[in-house]
Amino acid sequence: KNEVEQSPQNLTAQEGEFITINCSYSVGISALHWLQQHPGGGIVSLFMLSSGKKKHGRLIATINIQEKHSSLHITASHPRDSAVYICAVRWNTGNQFYFGTGTSLTVIP
Amino acid sequence: KAGVTQTPRYLIKTRGQQVTLSCSPISGHRSVSWYQQTPGQGLQFLFEYFSETQRNKGNFPGRFSGRQFSNSRSEMNVSTLELGDSALYLCASSLVGGASNYGYTFGSGTRLTVV
Repeated sequence: KNEVEQSPQNLTAQEGEFITINCSYSVGISALHWLQQHPGGGIVSLFMLSSGKKKHGRLIATINIQEKHSSLHITASHPRDSAVYICAVRWNTGNQFYFGTGTSLTVIP
Repeated sequence: KAGVTQTPRYLIKTRGQQVTLSCSPISGHRSVSWYQQTPGQGLQFLFEYFSETQRNKGNFPGRFSGRQFSNSRSEMNVSTLELGDSALYLCASSLVGGASNYGYTFGSGTRLTVV
């Protein structure tokens, strides 16, 4: 069974801390997506990557294809980063995305 | 540049009724995909449309259907509503979608409650 697993499920951090959220998957993928969902439901696409590393502001996403693992890092975290972060993968064998269960992040001032 | 617009934002329906949700993609985007999000199952892919054709379909019963118009706007329809259909329905648009690596932009979603 193809699976997407995220860790941790819940994360509480102090403002300014460096945060890492992990995503592991079971078989080969053609793309991986990191999404951010704020209370109220709206989803923002943060990164879509198939290899290497991408950076946008304080956010960094990396992927290791051989190890079937991706990480999302947030540097100098801020309370406005509080949200659910969701990893989604597109298997090599298909065109649709499958989603992890999300990591709920709370950043305390 | 206008974002992805979903209407309505909130909807309450009775079991057995049908419902139609609308999604207007970013201008120039030809791919629209639909997702269901529930507390129990998380986010799940429903289907994707590209140039008025359904290109991919997730594992949902036939009560869930959709279509895309020539201006790329898409609608999804759920017939014979069940309590378990209560969910946040999200759509996302992409320039090409499918197996490409063009990014996706999500709408704010329609929250459907079935009573």
